[in-house]
Amino acid sequence: AQSVSQHNHHVILSEAASLELGCNYSYGGTVNLFWYVQYPGQHLQLLLKYFSGDPLVKGIKGFEAEFIKSKFSFNLRKPSVQWSDTAEYFCAGGYQKVTFGIGTKLQVIP
Amino acid sequence: GAGVSQSPSNKVTEKGKDVELRCDPISGHTALYWYRQSLGQGLEFLIYFQGNSAPDKSGLPSDRFSAERTGGSVSTLTIQRTQQEDSAVYLCASSLVRPASGPTGELFFGEGSRLTVL
Repeated sequence: AQSVSQHNHHVILSEAASLELGCNYSYGGTVNLFWYVQYPGQHLQLLLKYFSGDPLVKGIKGFEAEFIKSKFSFNLRKPSVQWSDTAEYFCAGGYQKVTFGIGTKLQVIP
Repeated sequence: GAGVSQSPSNKVTEKGKDVELRCDPISGHTALYWYRQSLGQGLEFLIYFQGNSAPDKSGLPSDRFSAERTGGSVSTLTIQRTQQEDSAVYLCASSLVRPASGPTGELFFGEGSRLTVL
């Protein structure tokens, strides 16, 4: 069955630190991968997506993710986090049935 | 409407009662999803509708849960004989389906319905 897994459940960083959140997927065939973000009190929204082509995808607010097929990974990165990046981040994947990871709560300390 | 609309936003019910949660997807989105978000559990897939195809019900946790989608638009998630463990935020999302390539999987979420079972 297709699934994604996230390894970091709670991350605390200081402002300007670099961020990398891990995500692995476990299915083959058509690979659609996503990162969603949920800011406090807000609904889930798409951060970035990968369907095919360039494995390095750029999203909103300076986030990027790299699809590495050999490692079944789709890690989220940001070179320098801001306090406003405090949120919960979800990796997701699937073609029709889209499944989500457990989420990573990011807390950025000013 | 401009976005996915869910109602009610909050529902408090007593154990054993039935509840209905409604979702109105983005106009033109033929794919519709229900998820459950519980503390520490992430997003749990419940059910997926696409057009006139049979829904994927593989995530429904028990036969107390059912969902329907009328006219390919509005969907209702029904939980019968609610239990305390049903307390969660129930999220609805819709997605565009491209005629040539099918569902994109890019989901647009509603604000959710927070269910509390006493």
